[in-house]
Amino acid sequence: AQKITQTQPGMFVQEKEAVTLDCTYDTSDQSYGLFWYKQPSSGEMIFLIYQGSYDEQNATEGRYSLNFQKARKSANLVISASQLGDSAMYFCAMREGRERSFQKLVFGTGTRLLVSP
Amino acid sequence: DGGITQSPKYLFRKEGQNVTLSCEQNLNHDAMYWYRQDPGQGLRLIYYSQIVNDFQKGDIAEGYSVSREKKESFPLTVTSAQKNPTAFYLCASRAPGAHTEAFFGQGTRLTVV
Repeated sequence: AQKITQTQPGMFVQEKEAVTLDCTYDTSDQSYGLFWYKQPSSGEMIFLIYQGSYDEQNATEGRYSLNFQKARKSANLVISASQLGDSAMYFCAMREGRERSFQKLVFGTGTRLLVSP
Repeated sequence: DGGITQSPKYLFRKEGQNVTLSCEQNLNHDAMYWYRQDPGQGLRLIYYSQIVNDFQKGDIAEGYSVSREKKESFPLTVTSAQKNPTAFYLCASRAPGAHTEAFFGQGTRLTVV
């Protein structure tokens, strides 16, 4: 079964507008973590934001915020005031496993975001 | 500067040959991971290691092998048993802790000719 689901293969947004990238996950663990990464055309993976399963508040990092709905098992990334440099692939990932055991980090299939002037 | 180094950046291999991709980190991270990325697709986990001399198969381990003899190094061998090895390979490492993110190398693009 797919652990991380990103249903939007591609998204378009105009510069300066906000955009939401969807991510749903599936786990039976009580303790887990959710990450978002950005991958520009160069191929490098850039960490954006993290949300822990026990965090009561939604994570925020500058223009990035995470809309975490635990009961729905969703962790959507919100990018405010989009910039041309935000055009890239975006991946949602989940850390499974307890601290002292092997921890897997699994990724979704990604969403390609294109920001237009 | 601390980071993860993958080499080479581009690699060409003849069908039927084994090839080893290098991954070295100087971040003192315990956990290391290998992922495969195909065009337009996400990252699929090949192998991961939490400690030296121990590692676990990921979702697509068939046709691959790894070793973890040193904390800093986690080489991946793509064997001739891997049916479709042409892909972009990413290595990552991560410090212990619930909130720590994974750091990635620049990737190796492997092409079988």
